[in-house]
Amino acid sequence: EIVLTQSPDTLCLSPGERATLSCRASQSVSSSYLAWYQQKPGQAPRLLIYDASSRATGIPDRFSGSGFGTDFTLTINRLEPEDFAVYYCQQYGSSPPWTFGQGTRVEI
Amino acid sequence: QVQLQESGPGLVKPSETLSLTCTVSGASISSSSYYWGWIRQPPGKGLEWIGSIYYSGNTYYNASLKSRVTISKDTSKNQFYLMLTSVTAADTAVYYCARHRRYSSSSLGYFDYWGPGTLVTVSS
Repeated sequence: EIVLTQSPDTLCLSPGERATLSCRASQSVSSSYLAWYQQKPGQAPRLLIYDASSRATGIPDRFSGSGFGTDFTLTINRLEPEDFAVYYCQQYGSSPPWTFGQGTRVEI
Repeated sequence: QVQLQESGPGLVKPSETLSLTCTVSGASISSSSYYWGWIRQPPGKGLEWIGSIYYSGNTYYNASLKSRVTISKDTSKNQFYLMLTSVTAADTAVYYCARHRRYSSSSLGYFDYWGPGTLVTVSS
């Protein structure tokens, strides 16, 4: 089972700043099969990024993903008030189980 | 527009069986491009994939739950189902159903559409 470790646990920033979130895998994620989700309180997760760097439909271009192997990054440029949420990474490059990181909270 | 909606009891007694239904609209669960999955989230905690089912009936389960989980489907109703037996307080969580992208015959991907979730509490 691939374990994903996200850092930091909490990121305190202000609107307009850049957020850089990290997701590290316990072993290489094949074909950069990694996704990022945003979750707001009381809501389901929303897909932001898939295949490490492809934005999902309707996602603003201030969200970008990068990385390969074991190290992946989600960058949010010019934070908007609605971007303050919890972000999860998920790998799907291996056999099941398809696992999630523990989450990073982005707060003001 | 693809929409998923979970339904089922919000309270289950310990040792009993948790049963949930996911009703899909705007897409067919008979699509060859997708599996249909269940994910859960204990209060204040992270996400755990439970299992996923294909239109053919093929299933993948998380090994940590496999002995207690059954996922089934009814394509005529465009619904799929979750059964989790012998529940304990540790199974208290928000349960989500989601569309699970199929990459190949043996590889699944990301979850692109999610239901709003339903809280299931295990308590006597």
